[in-house]
Amino acid sequence: QLQLQESGPGLVKPSETLSLTCTVSGGSISSSSYYWGWIRQPPGKGLEWIGSIYYSGITYYNPSLKSRVTISVDTSKNQFSLKLSSVTAADTAVYYCARQQQLVQGEDYWGQGTLVTVSS
Amino acid sequence: QSVLTQPPSASGTPGQRVTISCSGSSSNIGSNTVNWYQQLPGTAPKLLIYSNNQRPSGVPDRFSGSKSGTSASLAISGLQSEDEADYYCAAWDDSLNGEVFGGGTKLTVL
Repeated sequence: QLQLQESGPGLVKPSETLSLTCTVSGGSISSSSYYWGWIRQPPGKGLEWIGSIYYSGITYYNPSLKSRVTISVDTSKNQFSLKLSSVTAADTAVYYCARQQQLVQGEDYWGQGTLVTVSS
Repeated sequence: QSVLTQPPSASGTPGQRVTISCSGSSSNIGSNTVNWYQQLPGTAPKLLIYSNNQRPSGVPDRFSGSKSGTSASLAISGLQSEDEADYYCAAWDDSLNGEVFGGGTKLTVL
């Protein structure tokens, strides 16, 4: 059974960089036809797609976050990572990592999510 | 303001059939397939419907999806108390070159 697990600091100071890693187990991140994505959800609000990456390194980013986001993949560790720079309180959210079926067919496996709070 | 538009709330009684709408544009729903997610309180979203009307393994056939033009719908028949959750639609947007979500619909089972 495929499992995804987010890890990283739960508290980040304003203007600093948020860094999270998603570890994939029970399957290979190098599987064809799958992208690996990050989605966030501010407290009490809806879902927002942040970006996705293919194991080869091809990336897609949300245009509204593109200038601050970097998603990378480490196939040797079966992990992919998110960096979001210059964070503000508006970036406080539960961050989920997920597997995407062929990019357009939805996220079929999700991590449990991790709350990241931006505060001094 | 979400790119895809959903009603903020919906409700029904046990056994009833309810539908949730999702409205988009030619660059998203009009060009690509629609996916639906169910999010129970305090949990990660779960893929309910993909490619407009396909159910992942394990999703009851009480859940069905459809698409017409730039709109899509999720139907839940034989409503049960455990269906009380938030439901989100999503689609790829060719103009934004990214995935867009609806604002979510909170379903209450009366």
